[in-house]
Amino acid sequence: DGGITQSPKYLFRKEGQNVTLSCEQNLNHDAMYWYRQDPGQGLRLIYYSQIVNDFQKGDIAEGYSVSREKKESFPLTVTSAQKNPTAFYLCASSTLQGTGFGYEQYFGPGTRLTVT
Amino acid sequence: LAKTTQPISMDSYEGQEVNITCSHNNIATNDYITWYQQFPSQGPRFIIQGYKTKVTNEVASLFIPADRKSSTLSLPRVSLSDTAVYYCLVSNQGGKLIFGQGTELSVKP
Repeated sequence: DGGITQSPKYLFRKEGQNVTLSCEQNLNHDAMYWYRQDPGQGLRLIYYSQIVNDFQKGDIAEGYSVSREKKESFPLTVTSAQKNPTAFYLCASSTLQGTGFGYEQYFGPGTRLTVT
Repeated sequence: LAKTTQPISMDSYEGQEVNITCSHNNIATNDYITWYQQFPSQGPRFIIQGYKTKVTNEVASLFIPADRKSSTLSLPRVSLSDTAVYYCLVSNQGGKLIFGQGTELSVKP
């Protein structure tokens, strides 16, 4: 079964702790993305990567870090510097091959992080 | 990236056709239009994508006028399971997407 997996589905942490969210895909996609969603809001881009060992900041990268050591994996670390870390985090991937104007993004099931 | 404007919410009844219109006045020549559907506590799911005129697939149709400043997602004969948030996005080949608040569609029996 091809797809994107995120684990865990729910995560609880104490304030001041770093936490790493997992994202794995077996779709052989080049690009991977991390979004954050707050209640009643749309998704906001945190980081994205189009190739292994390279990534770019999105619109709200402060307090987050990522790595892309393997094509299949794009973990996100929420650091203690992130002021409001409680949110729903979504990982996505897309191909960058072929023709056309845009590439469909496939999303994982999300991780709901609660920091108290 | 062009900003989009769509209604915050819409109500419908089972079996009706639902049309959700999205405005994107500043769309660029190389931008395309994509619609996603999101259920609570799940990731968005791609519905349909187009550049101009009309696109149809097994779940929806997308109508885009010649000036491309707006687009309309049409869902034929909705059911209760179509209750979700629908996002209209415009973007180019760079792959960066900007999600607005979306339209919360409520389908009633």
